[in-house]
Amino acid sequence: QKEVEQDPGPLSVPEGAIVSLNCTYSNSAFQYFMWYRQYSRKGPELLMYTYSSGNKEDGRFTAQVDKSSKYISLFIRDSQPSDSATYLCAMSALKGNNRLAFGKGNQVVVIP
Amino acid sequence: GAVVSQHPSRVICKSGTSVKIECRSLDFQATTMFWYRQFPKQSLMLMATSNEGSKATYEQGVEKDKFLINHASLTLSTLTVTSAHPEDSSFYICSASFGGGESPLHFGNGTRLTVT
Repeated sequence: QKEVEQDPGPLSVPEGAIVSLNCTYSNSAFQYFMWYRQYSRKGPELLMYTYSSGNKEDGRFTAQVDKSSKYISLFIRDSQPSDSATYLCAMSALKGNNRLAFGKGNQVVVIP
Repeated sequence: GAVVSQHPSRVICKSGTSVKIECRSLDFQATTMFWYRQFPKQSLMLMATSNEGSKATYEQGVEKDKFLINHASLTLSTLTVTSAHPEDSSFYICSASFGGGESPLHFGNGTRLTVT
């Protein structure tokens, strides 16, 4: 079993719809959870950073962590064509300067 | 704005030559930087951890003599792909943590290497 599982998609949604992405993981030591957005031929850009279980909201983005189920989610409300990208989940057991375990990335296409 | 700068963004080289990629932390000091490799439609694969003033730590299966890492200052790490072969063609991305390890990793914009 891989450490982090993420459905690669692609996921196509109409503009304005809610995008729902998720990852599951197997390592119960993970405490820090991140979502990155990666446009084609660019480096990943940090979107959300959460610690332990709970919800975090930032504008149109909401991150949820359920450590008991080893499941994290990212929701994008009122999706825009500019949200079309690959979204990577990442997690680690320790803060900052530590190795991250990445999901494969989920390609999202928002259709105007 | 970007906190990690990577250069060049794209490079094409001939088989057998060496290529150097630079990663700079902007306006902050990074004692540790990370080098990743990404194949098309695949996730990031950690290659090595670059430590300022000491030797890099390489992941299992990564040839340290082929992928030379130098972290000579607190704001610069370099990755040199030596004697490049077509199978080294990939997207190489560096990252660093802003804030002395208390914040998550930020990534550079990557370098697309094509070896002909």
